[in-house]
Amino acid sequence: NAGVTQTPKFQVLKTGQSMTLQCAQDMNHNSMYWYRQDPGMGLRLIYYSASEGTTDKGEVPNGYNVSRLNKREFSLRLESAAPSQTSVYFCASSRTGTYNEQFFGPGTRLTVL
Amino acid sequence: RKEVEQDPGPFNVPEGATVAFNCTYSNSASQSFFWYRQDCRKEPKLLMSVYSSGNEDGRFTAQLNRASQYISLLIRDSKLSDSATYLCVEPNTGGFKTIFGAGTRLFVKA
Repeated sequence: NAGVTQTPKFQVLKTGQSMTLQCAQDMNHNSMYWYRQDPGMGLRLIYYSASEGTTDKGEVPNGYNVSRLNKREFSLRLESAAPSQTSVYFCASSRTGTYNEQFFGPGTRLTVL
Repeated sequence: RKEVEQDPGPFNVPEGATVAFNCTYSNSASQSFFWYRQDCRKEPKLLMSVYSSGNEDGRFTAQLNRASQYISLLIRDSKLSDSATYLCVEPNTGGFKTIFGAGTRLFVKA
């Protein structure tokens, strides 16, 4: 089992460019999450999907959109990248509800110039 | 005030030492927490859960003090491989919105 996979691992964008971060899990989990991690701050939830077919905003959703393509895949899109979106992005999955362990992907390091 | 606060460290300890760090939280209704471990430039991974009764797993002991609203992580007989950042995590603060602390960095030296 691969667990949670993310692509790409690294990306450099110019301000205003768009891109989609891909995430897939093979653990048959219902819930999936997108976080960003910045120095000195904890992981902050961008969007989550409690189950296939649903998505909801987290703490810092502005500038992002998500798609829960199917039970396995949950993508994060930056429509017009800004330098403030420079961060490390982690995708995670869990059985339904956050009282369950969240399994994280290896992360995407994004730099916006 | 942050919902979950941790001393960022770093804690520098020699191999074999015992080290402890705390995490304070603001939601008095919270009854369980997690400790995650994050190695440098890697993803977080669950270390252990923390309930009112505490939890012990080998060299690691976690306690929850609800009266003073803090949780603690004690590591005995520290190993070089324990060097990492330890994240205090409050689950389910409102549906699916888990709160992660910023982490405490630990360096174990030979």
